Amino acid sequence: EAGVTQFPSHSVIEKGQTVTLRCDPISGHDNLYWYRRVMGKEIKFLLHFVKESKQDESGMPNNRFLAERTGGTYSTLKVQPAELEDSGVYFCASSQDQDFDRALSTIYGYTFGSGTRLTVV
Amino acid sequence: DQQVKQNSPSLSVQEGRISILNCDYTNSMFDYFLWYKKYPAEGPTFLISISSIKDKNEDGRFTVFLNKSAKHLSLHIVPSQPGDSAVYFCAASGHNYGQNFVFGPGTRLSVLP
Repeated sequence: EAGVTQFPSHSVIEKGQTVTLRCDPISGHDNLYWYRRVMGKEIKFLLHFVKESKQDESGMPNNRFLAERTGGTYSTLKVQPAELEDSGVYFCASSQDQDFDRALSTIYGYTFGSGTRLTVV
Repeated sequence: DQQVKQNSPSLSVQEGRISILNCDYTNSMFDYFLWYKKYPAEGPTFLISISSIKDKNEDGRFTVFLNKSAKHLSLHIVPSQPGDSAVYFCAASGHNYGQNFVFGPGTRLSVLP
């Protein structure tokens, strides 16, 4: 099966411009997540879609960030206007279900895309 | 304040020896813990997980140990191989966190031939 696809892989924009990142999850995966890694630090949660609905957007840094998932398929993350501190790698991930499988006492992580490296200059 | 900590930013190990990567967490509400491996220019890939009701989980060369009382987990890789060289992220979640994971900052493992 095709993995999680993100594009562009790299984007360099000037402060104040707008950038739109796209994520195509694995086909059939209802859950889609956006994460961000800034300056080589920890990977931080941004938001979570279940189909086309925002399940949790508590990690979105401010209202310059807008995420959409029309039709419950691919998702876009728009940054407008971009600031220097928005630079980082933006990861998208998807999963079919959250397998908090108590019977097996294990869970399975979701599948990440390769990320979009955003540089704001 | 970081809820998941990986205090060693890097680790070098000789091929064939054991690699031990450590992770500490502060939130006692975490129920599930995972390790991800990340190569340059790629997304993190799931490696192994453990539930808080277990203290050990094994998958081939990879074993994760969980010490709930100490809020500490570790990943053991035996034997280490050059292909294991990557950044390893510890991540935690719980039912109170929905389906989101809290990641540590990562440890860069270098396995020397």
